[in-house]
Amino acid sequence: GIQVEQSPPDLILQEGANSTLRCNFSDSVNNLQWFHQNPWGQLINLFYIPSGTKQNGRLSATTVATERYSLLYISSSQTTDSGVYFCAVERSNNNNDMRFGAGTRLTVKP
Amino acid sequence: DGGITQSPKYLFRKEGQNVTLSCEQNLNHDAMYWYRQDPGQGLRLIYYSQIVNDFQKGDIAEGYSVSREKKESFPLTVTSAQKNPTAFYLCASRGWAESSYEQYFGPGTRLTVT
Repeated sequence: GIQVEQSPPDLILQEGANSTLRCNFSDSVNNLQWFHQNPWGQLINLFYIPSGTKQNGRLSATTVATERYSLLYISSSQTTDSGVYFCAVERSNNNNDMRFGAGTRLTVKP
Repeated sequence: DGGITQSPKYLFRKEGQNVTLSCEQNLNHDAMYWYRQDPGQGLRLIYYSQIVNDFQKGDIAEGYSVSREKKESFPLTVTSAQKNPTAFYLCASRGWAESSYEQYFGPGTRLTVT
């Protein structure tokens, strides 16, 4: 199956700092989503971004499908941004098979 | 409200018992999923279903079974054959929202087997 690798595995920031999280995938994809898992385990949808760039407030994401990677940018980080960020992809055979990376655990300190 | 519900939130069972986790959605989505998450780890796909009466195995289907008799419901049974059933189980559904075909998650069920 498709391999999804996220980096870095752990990231510690001071409040107000910026960060970039990366997601590499091993095959061409139809779909890509970024999620944030809060401390209670709930996964929150951040972006649906199979290609291109999107922005939502302090967060933005870019997917370069031809080079098989996606980036999630967090600017002016806040303590509430802490948690685990996951990237999930669907291979281009379009069979609804969604696979997740291992995640990046972000800790934002006040 | 539209969404995905999982019940119960916490579940405790004795080793050797089968247990069924509930997942219901009212989003009118065709596709539904079950994932398992162990502490500090990512999500691993157990089973998914693209349509009623059809489902496919994911990477870790052994020891689990599912059914999809209704569009809204995708229950997961953790059988006694599953060697390490204690984990956090997440259900998801997937469907079109305007121009995006997105996956949405329920709140999860934490299963503890002793």
